[in-house]
Amino acid sequence: DIQMTQSPSSVSASVGDRVTITCQASQGIASSLAWYQQIPGKAPKLLIYGASTLQSGVPSRFSGSGSGTDFTLTISSLQPGDFATYLCQQSNSFPLTFGGGTKVDIK
Amino acid sequence: EVQLVESGGGLVQPGGSLRLSCAASGFTFTNYAMTWVRQAPGKGLEWVSTIGISSATTYYADSVKGRFTISRDNSKNTLYLQMNSLRAEDTALYYCAKYYSLGSRCFDYWGQGTLVTVSS
Repeated sequence: DIQMTQSPSSVSASVGDRVTITCQASQGIASSLAWYQQIPGKAPKLLIYGASTLQSGVPSRFSGSGSGTDFTLTISSLQPGDFATYLCQQSNSFPLTFGGGTKVDIK
Repeated sequence: EVQLVESGGGLVQPGGSLRLSCAASGFTFTNYAMTWVRQAPGKGLEWVSTIGISSATTYYADSVKGRFTISRDNSKNTLYLQMNSLRAEDTALYYCAKYYSLGSRCFDYWGQGTLVTVSS
């Protein structure tokens, strides 16, 4: 199974800050990576697929990069609605696996 | 508008069974693979099972293989998860989710989930 390791597990930031979250796969997955945002009590929301393609309707302050084993989600200027947990998911092969999540909270 | 509405969760004793349903609307159900993902209380997401567009292809997490069965009724636009031999560790919120596109293996729409609690 492909293990997905996210870091950090949590980050405290302020509105307007730039936030970077990393996700590392235990083996190469090309660009088969998705990022989700989950607000407490809500279902996950797809932000990025194919490592760097922004899902329709997602603000351009979100961006993704990487390939192979190392991936990054960047929020260029944190907004109040962005305080949430962010999860990566490899879509390369079954079993599909998720990272443990990064909680972004208010500093 | 795409909608996925899960039902069928509840409290069940260890060793018991439940069948979850996910009613889909707002898209052509027969064109998309579908998936169940679960989230134990306070924990991360765990992929459970995926079914292809024609039901010919199914995949399961090792943790549920042999106990859970995914199926779909394309005439009813409904996805199912039959869960047998339930264990305490199956306690979770179960989401159904729609593939973003054929072969994408990522999920652009999710239901709100149905809670399964396995306890005596």
